[in-house]
Amino acid sequence: EAGVAQSPRYKIIEKRQSVAFWCNPISGHATLYWYQQILGQGPKLLIQFQNNGVVDDSQLPKDRFSAERLKGVDSTLKIQPAKLEDSAVYLCASSPDRVPYNEQFFGPGTRLTVL
Amino acid sequence: DAKTTQPPSMDCAEGRAANLPCNHSTISGNEYVYWYRQIHSQGPQYIIHGLKNNETNEMASLIITEDRKSSTLILPHATLRDTAVYYCIVRKRSSGSARQLTFGSGTQLTVLP
Repeated sequence: EAGVAQSPRYKIIEKRQSVAFWCNPISGHATLYWYQQILGQGPKLLIQFQNNGVVDDSQLPKDRFSAERLKGVDSTLKIQPAKLEDSAVYLCASSPDRVPYNEQFFGPGTRLTVL
Repeated sequence: DAKTTQPPSMDCAEGRAANLPCNHSTISGNEYVYWYRQIHSQGPQYIIHGLKNNETNEMASLIITEDRKSSTLILPHATLRDTAVYYCIVRKRSSGSARQLTFGSGTQLTVLP
């Protein structure tokens, strides 16, 4: 079974530039998550999708971050404009619809450096 | 979700059992204990979960105290590849946004040769 794919793996931009990250979840997984992980901290959830609908985006800085999941499969996370404090690893995860237990499967992440 | 407390770091000799503790004194009856680990430069990986009974799988064992206020993850024969940050997470059994994982800072386990 193929895992969660993310690209790019690394990205370096200057502040005020825009950047986009792509995620392809495991086939058949209805739920998709984007996490932000700042160095030395645990991952923090940014947004959760169920199919192509948003379940929770309460921790997404909506003035600069946006995310979409077209057709309930792939997802894109965008930052515009980037700030220095956005330097972090952006992790995508997916999970199947097996209530009550649904393990999350994580991708390798995209490491963003904002200069 | 209940808050968890873990030691920031631990060492373990290769081949020995690694016992990672987690306190979750405010856990409620319908909350599960999950363990994930994150090897350097990789995404987190699920290890095991439990409600009140002890659990074992091919990776580890999970021991939950009778009052459910603490648990211990046991890696029976630690190898160098087990060096990682281990996260203990408490989460309700439900759907929708309750499926989210709230990560703390975890325990950095270093397996020494």
